Amino acid sequence: DGGITQSPKYLFRKEGQNVTLSCEQNLNHDAMYWYRQDPGQGLRLIYYSQIVNDFQKGDIAEGYSVSREKKESFPLTVTSAQKNPTAFYLCASRRGLTEAFFGQGTRLTVV
Amino acid sequence: AQSVSQHNHHVILSEAASLELGCNYSYGGTVNLFWYVQYPGQHLQLLLKYFSGDPLVKGIKGFEAEFIKSKFSFNLRKPSVQWSDTAEYFCAACMDSNYQLIWGAGTKLIIKP
Repeated sequence: DGGITQSPKYLFRKEGQNVTLSCEQNLNHDAMYWYRQDPGQGLRLIYYSQIVNDFQKGDIAEGYSVSREKKESFPLTVTSAQKNPTAFYLCASRRGLTEAFFGQGTRLTVV
Repeated sequence: AQSVSQHNHHVILSEAASLELGCNYSYGGTVNLFWYVQYPGQHLQLLLKYFSGDPLVKGIKGFEAEFIKSKFSFNLRKPSVQWSDTAEYFCAACMDSNYQLIWGAGTKLIIKP
């Protein structure tokens, strides 16, 4: 089945640690996105990539980093510089200007 | 700036009531419009989309939306809601050839059985 796989589903991080969230898609989509979802704030764009080896900052990129070495993969690293990382993180992919397809999300908690 | 606004953050209805969730966008050019639903504990799913043509679009689970260009609106409707429609609903827009999707803040819908 084609789709987007995010892992892990739940992630706990100690303060000061970097953690990496995985996102893999087998839909052959060029564009991939990372969003952060907080209650009452909708989806806020962290980073997006339209093509391999290229990515752009979204509205809230500070404290995050990404890479796009393969078309299928768009991992997100939450660095220690992110002051409030506890949130629900969603990865999406898209072909052209059509609808986006979403993964199941990763819930990150700082302990 | 391009933006999408959803008028209600929380809506509570009884089963069989009619539903209309508002969505407005701020952009004068070509837009593609989407409604997504997020059921509790699940991922975002597409309900319906508008690219061009008939401004009244039908989606899954009995939902429909009407694109009114003069009002910059794309309101979501359902004539009779069910308890299983309890979810959060998001409106999104893609404006011109921008690869970004602009999202509304979401509306939490609670259906009382």
